[in-house]
Amino acid sequence: DGGITQSPKYLFRKEGQNVTLSCEQNLNHDAMYWYRQDPGQGLRLIYYSQIVNDFQKGDIAEGYSVSREKKESFPLTVTSAQKNPTAFYLCASSIRQGTNYGYTFGSGTRLTVV
Amino acid sequence: AQKITQTQPGMFVQEKEAVTLDCTYDTSDQSYGLFWYKQPSSGEMIFLIYQGSYDEQNATEGRYSLNFQKARKSANLVISASQLGDSAMYFCAMRESRYNFNKFYFGSGTKLNVKP
Repeated sequence: DGGITQSPKYLFRKEGQNVTLSCEQNLNHDAMYWYRQDPGQGLRLIYYSQIVNDFQKGDIAEGYSVSREKKESFPLTVTSAQKNPTAFYLCASSIRQGTNYGYTFGSGTRLTVV
Repeated sequence: AQKITQTQPGMFVQEKEAVTLDCTYDTSDQSYGLFWYKQPSSGEMIFLIYQGSYDEQNATEGRYSLNFQKARKSANLVISASQLGDSAMYFCAMRESRYNFNKFYFGSGTKLNVKP
């Protein structure tokens, strides 16, 4: 079955460490996105990618980095520059353009700073 | 300006009753899409219903319907016959397609509690 796989489901980071969250999709979608969600809040866009080897900053990109070397994969690195990284991270994908197509979401990664 | 506004942080509804979750949006595009997602406590985002800006009929999916009022820029979700399993966060979202690319905007969500 097609879908998006995020791993790990739970991740713990020590102060000053970089950590990488994995996002893989087998839907043949061109576009992929990373969102951050804080408790009781909505989704905020971190980065998005329209095609391979191209990505753009979203609304809260500081302290994060991404790569898009393959169509299927869009990993997110939370760097030590991100001062408050504890949150729920959601990856999503969609076709690049279209009218009645929404996102497909992964199941999320909960990141906690210890 | 906010692209999507959900003014109800929390709502309570009695089991088996209907409930309306409010959503207003802001866009200057002619072609756009409106979506509702459900997020249970597990965190996954579940697609519920879609309404296209050119659709004249309100969208329906089972117990979910979308009350689309284009002139007022509102896209309220109506859940009929609420069930305990409907307790979750609900997000309204809008897709714009500028420069041949889909970009999505989400509201801050409404937490729905269904009481037995």
